[in-house]
Amino acid sequence: EIVLTQSPGTLSLSPGESATLSCRASQSVSNNYLAWYQQKPGQAPRVLIYGASSRATGIPDRFGGSGSGTDFTLTISRLEPEDFAVYYCQQYGNSPWTFGQGTKVEIK
Amino acid sequence: QVQLQESGPGLVKPSETLSLTCAVSGNSISSVYYWNWIRQPPGERLEWIGSIHHSGNAYYNPSLKSRVTIEVDTSKSQFSLKLSSVTAADTAVYYCARGASLYTNSWFNWFDPWGQGTLVTVSS
Repeated sequence: EIVLTQSPGTLSLSPGESATLSCRASQSVSNNYLAWYQQKPGQAPRVLIYGASSRATGIPDRFGGSGSGTDFTLTISRLEPEDFAVYYCQQYGNSPWTFGQGTKVEIK
Repeated sequence: QVQLQESGPGLVKPSETLSLTCAVSGNSISSVYYWNWIRQPPGERLEWIGSIHHSGNAYYNPSLKSRVTIEVDTSKSQFSLKLSSVTAADTAVYYCARGASLYTNSWFNWFDPWGQGTLVTVSS
């Protein structure tokens, strides 16, 4: 199965700053089928990005996804207070679908 | 707007079978989607358990396949999860989620939306 490794584990930033989150796959993700999710305490994950770079419905354009093959990036420009959360990547190109271990974006 | 809601016992004894149900509203369970179970053990990453289509076509994570059964009941607009021979390692928040894809009837899915999740603890 594909192992997804996210870095860094924690990102300490201030509102208004930009965040760059990395997701590296142990082998190439077919068709760049990679999604990003945001999860806040006590809530279910919410999809932000699918297909590596397509924003899900209702997601602000300050969230952007890029990458291909084994290296993917989620960029959050101009962090808003509600953006401080844990972010997960998920690949759905090679069964079984797998998730990264998460990156926590916390207020500095 | 589709909504999913998990239900089932919050406490299961070791070696017994964990049983959960996910009720689907706002979207026909007999539509083009796959319906999924995902879990998150405390402090660990999310793990996809398996998915099912209303036709009965199901896929499972090989790591759990020998112990998992996912079924769909279209008359009740719900799908279920059974996980047998549970141990403490199966303690987790269990989520149900609709599989999303750019293609109809495809199981190559990201997940949207999710249920709120239900904590299941395995303990005697």
